[in-house]
Amino acid sequence: GAVVSQHPSRVICKSGTSVKIECRSLDFQATTMFWYRQFPKQSLMLMATSNEGSKATYEQGVEKDKFLINHASLTLSTLTVTSAHPEDSSFYICSAREATEAFFGQGTRLTVV
Amino acid sequence: GDSVTQMEGPVTLSEEAFLTINCTYTATGYPSLFWYVQYPGEGLQLLLKATKADDKGSNKGFEATYRKETTSFHLEKGSVQVSDSAVYFCALRSGPGSARQLTFGSGTQLTVLP
Repeated sequence: GAVVSQHPSRVICKSGTSVKIECRSLDFQATTMFWYRQFPKQSLMLMATSNEGSKATYEQGVEKDKFLINHASLTLSTLTVTSAHPEDSSFYICSAREATEAFFGQGTRLTVV
Repeated sequence: GDSVTQMEGPVTLSEEAFLTINCTYTATGYPSLFWYVQYPGEGLQLLLKATKADDKGSNKGFEATYRKETTSFHLEKGSVQVSDSAVYFCALRSGPGSARQLTFGSGTQLTVLP
């Protein structure tokens, strides 16, 4: 199947700094990618839909100025957590769709200290 | 709105035991239903799916039947292996179009002991 690569897999950062997470579709083009967040023992919650060449669509309650999404090409979407705080610590997962199937990245464990 | 309720884990079984992970859903219309699996250190992978009532999805010995009357999509396997140890997510997608996002259950951690 298609491969979605997410990087980094783990990151630890200090409060107040920004962190960028990359999501790449390796062998297909993705006009739409999705960013999810998962808290321990909870569901994956959709944060935003990333659209190539246009602004991302954010879910209700997600701060678009804090979670910056850029989808500059058909194979790359980035999520930047700006001015991170400990409550932003979580597991972030991206997904890209090819035809009717969704493919997921490996996820990024973000810890803000 | 749409929601998925999944059996809480963790689940620990001995090799060759029978596995059931319960999943029920709430959705408008006629959603498509999915099971995803996440092995340690990897991304989610589609395990099986069903797109209409009474469909049975199957893959790698796992099965799940779309039961509209009980709004359920329970995952089963007759004989689990150590290599099946992973986190399993039930999910649905409602509405037309492949761009619709998935709604996930909370995931169930399965550990199979030799």
